[in-house]
Amino acid sequence: AQSVAQPEDQVNVAEGNPLTVKCTYSVSGNPYLFWYVQYPNRGLQFLLKYITGDNLVKGSYGFEAEFNKSQTSFHLKKPSALVSDSALYFCAVRDTNAGKSTFGDGTTLTVKP
Amino acid sequence: NAGVTQTPKFRVLKTGQSMTLLCAQDMNHEYMYWYRQDPGMGLRLIHYSVGEGTTAKGEVPDGYNVSRLKKQNFLLGLESAAPSQTSVYFCATHRLAGANEQFFGPGTRLTVL
Repeated sequence: AQSVAQPEDQVNVAEGNPLTVKCTYSVSGNPYLFWYVQYPNRGLQFLLKYITGDNLVKGSYGFEAEFNKSQTSFHLKKPSALVSDSALYFCAVRDTNAGKSTFGDGTTLTVKP
Repeated sequence: NAGVTQTPKFRVLKTGQSMTLLCAQDMNHEYMYWYRQDPGMGLRLIHYSVGEGTTAKGEVPDGYNVSRLKKQNFLLGLESAAPSQTSVYFCATHRLAGANEQFFGPGTRLTVL
């Protein structure tokens, strides 16, 4: 079985400050990990993914994520937040032996001017 | 390329009515999924398909049926709608198994009165 936890329902940051959205996961094998973003009344859009190799993954719109195997975490980060980053963010995990992904419950990011 | 499209965008049903949601993709992807999104509950997998002519149950399949007669289309049916099926429904696709990210449709907002 695989699962994902996003411990924060809401994250608030000021524009220009760094942001972190947390994600922890559980899989029986090795994980593929994904971050998606959802803007109001839209479908989810892919941001970045971890497959293997470097623990720091860079993605779209200046986002990056750090894979930590010992802590089973894949936190999403950005050095300087923009108001336009305000959205709902989902972490997802897929066991390398499985075809289906499991999504977290989502974290609402609000960036204030 | 249209990517992933969903029809209809909005629908209001009365309890007991039936309807079919259509997901169409022009990316030649093998895997297709139907999710429902409810506030605070993230994305829950209803049914999925790993190829033309195949379907499988997800975590919340009761009350829904699916068909994948053509590779590019994945249909979700509600035979007798219930208020508990009020939700936003998303279709998603990806290429073969592995680390491929999912591409999401824009969603269908369904209200069952």
